[in-house]
Amino acid sequence: DAGVIQSPRHEVTEMGQEVTLRCKPISGHNSLFWYRQTMMRGLELLIYFNNNVPIDDSGMPEDRFSAKMPNASFSTLKIQPSEPRDSAVYFCASSDTPEDKRFFGPGTRLTVL
Amino acid sequence: SQQGEEDPQALSIQEGENATMNCSYKTSINNLQWYRQNSGRGLVHLILIRSNEREKHSGRLRVTLDTSKKSSSLLITASRAADTASYFCATDARGGSNYKLTFGKGTLLTVNP
Repeated sequence: DAGVIQSPRHEVTEMGQEVTLRCKPISGHNSLFWYRQTMMRGLELLIYFNNNVPIDDSGMPEDRFSAKMPNASFSTLKIQPSEPRDSAVYFCASSDTPEDKRFFGPGTRLTVL
Repeated sequence: SQQGEEDPQALSIQEGENATMNCSYKTSINNLQWYRQNSGRGLVHLILIRSNEREKHSGRLRVTLDTSKKSSSLLITASRAADTASYFCATDARGGSNYKLTFGKGTLLTVNP
């Protein structure tokens, strides 16, 4: 298995633009997580899916953030409109069970100018 | 807060020396996990230790857990330059949601050749 795949690896955009981050979890994993990592706040859980269903989106900072998982092999995190304070590294991770070890993707480094 | 806190924040050693990193947490847990993050990469799972375990080994890694002190340590023996990375502990919360892992801010380990 290729591991968790994320795209793009880097994204530079201007304030107000829509940003879509993509994730392909490890095949067979039922749990998918989106995290955001910044120097100030560390690694924060944004949203958790189980069997493609959003279970907990309490970490999504604002209504500008939305996430979907249309099938077991694909998830998106969208920011619309983007703001400079959204600049961070966004990680997707998957696991076999919710409490099991997480497998992280390489991350998307987002810069909003 | 359930957040684990690593200590020290940064550690610099010479190749061949042992490195010890500590993690403290606030409330009872089911398990504690350690992850490594190389610069510009995603997190990689190292070890999971359950609350009823006191010690676990994996290659050159040794993890201990003291639930009475709410603390864990990660020992890397005979360090190598390739061990240079940030190391994070992550805890769940006993009685809480089984998918919620709270990550600390990490210890930055530098192994000098």
